[in-house]
Amino acid sequence: GAGVSQSPRYKVAKRGQDVALRCDPISGHVSLFWYQQALGQGPEFLTYFQNEAQLDKSGLPSDRFFAERPEGSVSTLKIQRTQQEDSAVYLCASSLLGTFGYTFGSGTRLTVV
Amino acid sequence: AQSVTQLDSQVPVFEEAPVELRCNYSSSVSVYLFWYVQYPNQGLQLLLKYLSGSTLVKGINGFEAEFNKSQTSFHLRKPSVHISDTAEYFCAVSENGNKLVFGAGTILRVKS
Repeated sequence: GAGVSQSPRYKVAKRGQDVALRCDPISGHVSLFWYQQALGQGPEFLTYFQNEAQLDKSGLPSDRFFAERPEGSVSTLKIQRTQQEDSAVYLCASSLLGTFGYTFGSGTRLTVV
Repeated sequence: AQSVTQLDSQVPVFEEAPVELRCNYSSSVSVYLFWYVQYPNQGLQLLLKYLSGSTLVKGINGFEAEFNKSQTSFHLRKPSVHISDTAEYFCAVSENGNKLVFGAGTILRVKS
């Protein structure tokens, strides 16, 4: 596609519910990143994929967070047993290998009630 | 560890006036530097980046930034702003290009 596509655009979850957020990167982009942006703050790194390999997951805040990219294209960020502090915008970005400055999607706004 | 400080949370400015958004970073190694803009309910858009070479970097929409290694700064400037420049601006640093560390953002409010 022309840009990075994320779905759903908005998600309201009850505390304790599991959620899955989808990212469809630009075709051919090898690198894929997930960031979390809390209200009024800058994005914070969560995890990084190169093709299907998850090379860095140091930013995942707890073992309730899990990301996958099984075929090296679409990625899913899963949050289990959501808590109120998980409320944030989750941004996905992709890039060609070796380039700097990636293309971001519009994000998924997750609200946990 | 890297960190980024954006010294102003909000910058109000009149249309056609010049503006500077300040950014300071800390890192123990050489870094790559970026400025992104975020319009309401949208993702981040790359304005410009410094990788190496000339310390004055020109970006889109008439913005430019200057890398100052001795002051560990990467301030963003525009000589004449438009109403459409109203947005939030984020400075970011990376040691390897794979993981960006962002500042807290500066909201630029352009008034007519």
